[in-house]
Amino acid sequence: DVKVTQSSRYLVKRTGEKVFLECVQDMDHENMFWYRQDPGLGLRLIYFSYDVKMKEKGDIPEGYSVSREKKERFSLILESASTNQTSMYLCASEDLTDTQYFGPGTRLTVL
Amino acid sequence: AQKITQTQPGMFVQEKEAVTLDCTYDTSDQSYGLFWYKQPSSGEMIFLIYQGSYDEQNATEGRYSLNFQKARKSTNLVISASQLGDSAMYFCAMREGIVAGTASKLTFGTGTRLQVTL
Repeated sequence: DVKVTQSSRYLVKRTGEKVFLECVQDMDHENMFWYRQDPGLGLRLIYFSYDVKMKEKGDIPEGYSVSREKKERFSLILESASTNQTSMYLCASEDLTDTQYFGPGTRLTVL
Repeated sequence: AQKITQTQPGMFVQEKEAVTLDCTYDTSDQSYGLFWYKQPSSGEMIFLIYQGSYDEQNATEGRYSLNFQKARKSTNLVISASQLGDSAMYFCAMREGIVAGTASKLTFGTGTRLQVTL
């Protein structure tokens, strides 16, 4: 079974803080993704990575950056958290059939 | 224009009945893939079923099946013999043509909340 884990299920941060969201997959997948999910908007792609140290912007990259130093780990960074970044963040890993498997999600609240 | 449209924000179905969740899509690509995911209240997105644009047969996976109508650009999810555990949000997603050397991107609909009742 594909296993995608995220470092926290719930996170509360203050405006202006630097926030790290970690995602780890154990299936040696090359492609990994970060999404945010907001009510009525579905899932929106923030960034994705198709290899170590390779990354591409998704549809809403503003205010975010990513890091992929090792194949199994893909980190999402909020350089200076703002209240409009309060959301559910979902990480996914993709297999060779182009099917994406998701982690349990992190509910981030920025106060 | 929306690439994935799910017009039913909420649906109710009685236990043991079948239910159809609608999804229409918009693409000019010839090669694409369509996915359905389930999201229970716990938050995790669970992959259910996949249909490729060149697949001639409707996909089936246990109690899940797709009614894929390519000309109408629709891929409706049919859940047979509904169970209480099927209560969740259901998302339709599309992967369009892949560019070599990069990863495919999924576009998601806004979801349908299904409630299974006794």
